[in-house]
Amino acid sequence: QKEVEQNSGPLSVPEGAIASLNCTYSDRGSQSFFWYRQYSGKSPELIMSIYSNGDKEDGRFTAQLNKASQYVSLLIRDSQPSDSATYLCAVNTLGSGNTGKLIFGQGTTLQVKP
Amino acid sequence: DARVTQTPRHKVTEMGQEVTMRCQPILGHNTVFWYRQTMMQGLELLAYFRNRAPLDDSGMPKDRFSAEMPDATLATLKIQPSEPRDSAVYFCASGSPPSGPSSYEQYFGPGTRLTVT
Repeated sequence: QKEVEQNSGPLSVPEGAIASLNCTYSDRGSQSFFWYRQYSGKSPELIMSIYSNGDKEDGRFTAQLNKASQYVSLLIRDSQPSDSATYLCAVNTLGSGNTGKLIFGQGTTLQVKP
Repeated sequence: DARVTQTPRHKVTEMGQEVTMRCQPILGHNTVFWYRQTMMQGLELLAYFRNRAPLDDSGMPKDRFSAEMPDATLATLKIQPSEPRDSAVYFCASGSPPSGPSSYEQYFGPGTRLTVT
């Protein structure tokens, strides 16, 4: 089992819809969770971080964390074609202490159709 | 506007040649990470440093790769000799010390696209 798992997609949604991206992780002691967006040919860009159970909202983005079920999700409301990218989930596991080391998932490709 | 810089942005070289990639972390960030990204393997952590000291380089092929941080504003990743399988995008990321329970947020540079023929 991979430490951080994501469905590779592509996930296709129509413009204006809600896109839901999911990520599961194996280390129950994980404490910090991040979502990165990566456009084709570009570098990963940090868009959300979450540390506590529940929801965290930032504009059109909402990160959701459920430590008991070991999953973290990203919701994108009112999806735009410009949101089309690969979304990477990253987890700081307990085993890495506070070194800052992150384990990345393989990423989910999102396509927003006009 | 603070950002991680990397040079060169693109490098094409022949098998057996030495390749050096450079990274300037965001001023004030004390942790630097080197990643490699390929379609097959995704994003792999090669090595990382805190306060210029190497913390972990277990992701790096030791026989040909080396990473150093000669000063707080420069990190280098060297491949000698290079092989076609080293062709990938190499990213540097830097992070600042966390406050409270949060972890280091990592900010990526633009990457170096390496092609070894």
